[in-house]
Amino acid sequence: QVQLVQSGAAVKKPGSSVKVSCKASGGNFATGVFSWVRQAPGQGFEWIGGMMGYYGTAIYAQKFRGRVLITTDDSTTTVYMELSSLTSEDTAVYFCARGPVDIQTSMLFLEYWGQGTLVTVSS
Amino acid sequence: EIVMTQSPATLSVSPGEGATLSCRASKSVSRNLAWYQQKPGQAPRLLIYDTSARATGIPARFSGSGGGTEFTLTISSLQSEDFAVYYCQQYDSWPPLTFGGGTKVEI
Repeated sequence: QVQLVQSGAAVKKPGSSVKVSCKASGGNFATGVFSWVRQAPGQGFEWIGGMMGYYGTAIYAQKFRGRVLITTDDSTTTVYMELSSLTSEDTAVYFCARGPVDIQTSMLFLEYWGQGTLVTVSS
Repeated sequence: EIVMTQSPATLSVSPGEGATLSCRASKSVSRNLAWYQQKPGQAPRLLIYDTSARATGIPARFSGSGGGTEFTLTISSLQSEDFAVYYCQQYDSWPPLTFGGGTKVEI
């Protein structure tokens, strides 16, 4: 079965960047469809973007384009999400998630989730 | 971007009673809709996908229905462990994937 284990909490200064990792096990990592979703305190979910391994392509929500980068490392089966130009509004729990293992070519529902990483942006 | 709207924001239910949660899409998403359950301090758990298919290990008291722009999650007889926040998510049109604002089911 698929497991996703994320890096630990981070505290960042406004204007800086944060890079969150997500170590995946189980399933075929290279062709997996991964997403990054965030949840601000007491709020709902916001999709940041995702990686479609089959195509080797990252796709981003318009809101985050230009300041987010999603990458993968097949050798360590790890997905990364780097967000730059941080402001206090980026304070949130960031989740990585994966779609069903047998679907490789589309963003769908999120079947597997990491435990979440709290990113706090504060001066 | 497809906007997902859930109602009510909060639903007060007694254990053993049923609950009906609604999710509306700003345009048709066909049957490409999922439901998640989230408890405090935890990651979401997939309950339902493709409008009505239960995810692995999800009890039969959870059922989904609908299509197009109107969807419903029904919990037939609430157990103590079902008190949580429930979110819908569409995956018909992306980017972006979009979520509803959630319905809190409380005692």
